[in-house]
Amino acid sequence: AQKITQTQPGMFVQEKEAVTLDCTYDTSDPSYGLFWYKQPSSGEMIFLIYQGSYDQQNATEGRYSLNFQKARKSANLVISASQLGDSAMYFCAMRGGLNYGGSQGNLIFGKGTKLSVKP
Amino acid sequence: DVKVTQSSRYLVKRTGEKVFLECVQDMDHENMFWYRQDPGLGLRLIYFSYDVKMKEKGDIPEGYSVSREKKERFSLILESASTNQTSMYLCASSLNPTRSPLHFGNGTRLTVT
Repeated sequence: AQKITQTQPGMFVQEKEAVTLDCTYDTSDPSYGLFWYKQPSSGEMIFLIYQGSYDQQNATEGRYSLNFQKARKSANLVISASQLGDSAMYFCAMRGGLNYGGSQGNLIFGKGTKLSVKP
Repeated sequence: DVKVTQSSRYLVKRTGEKVFLECVQDMDHENMFWYRQDPGLGLRLIYFSYDVKMKEKGDIPEGYSVSREKKERFSLILESASTNQTSMYLCASSLNPTRSPLHFGNGTRLTVT
């Protein structure tokens, strides 16, 4: 079965410091995609970053980078130079396989990590 | 920018009522999804659709049905609302599924009393 695990229900980080949010996944598919989303208190889901299983380089988008360790099945999100506006829920997600609607785009989500940035 | 619009931000319904949650996307996406979000459980897929009039069950379809009569519109129906369906409902759409993210609406917070 496909599964995403986020082991940190909540985290605190000091403003301007870097923080790593953990994500591990389980799949038997050789081809898969991993996503991170941010959900502020207003509720909208904001796409942050994508990593494909065959991508050679770790994905980066501005202050966000994905530490992809394929052998360990981990896809941790690193946020550099945290800002107060980074306080939000963060969800790791994986493209579903054939039995999970993956060919139609379905994503399987972890339970999320609540990040709080302290001034 | 892709826009996914959910018709209601907040909704309060009574037990036993039939409830319609509407979702419209403006980017001609083939795939549309309904998720339910509950604290500590993350997002769980209720139903999805990959074409007009086509639908597939997700992880928690019980008590729900869907309708997709037009490509841009995907409706979630609670046939007889119950209190355990009080939740945040998120609609999403996507284009090419390989690398494309899901684009989400702002959500509908449904309370069933």
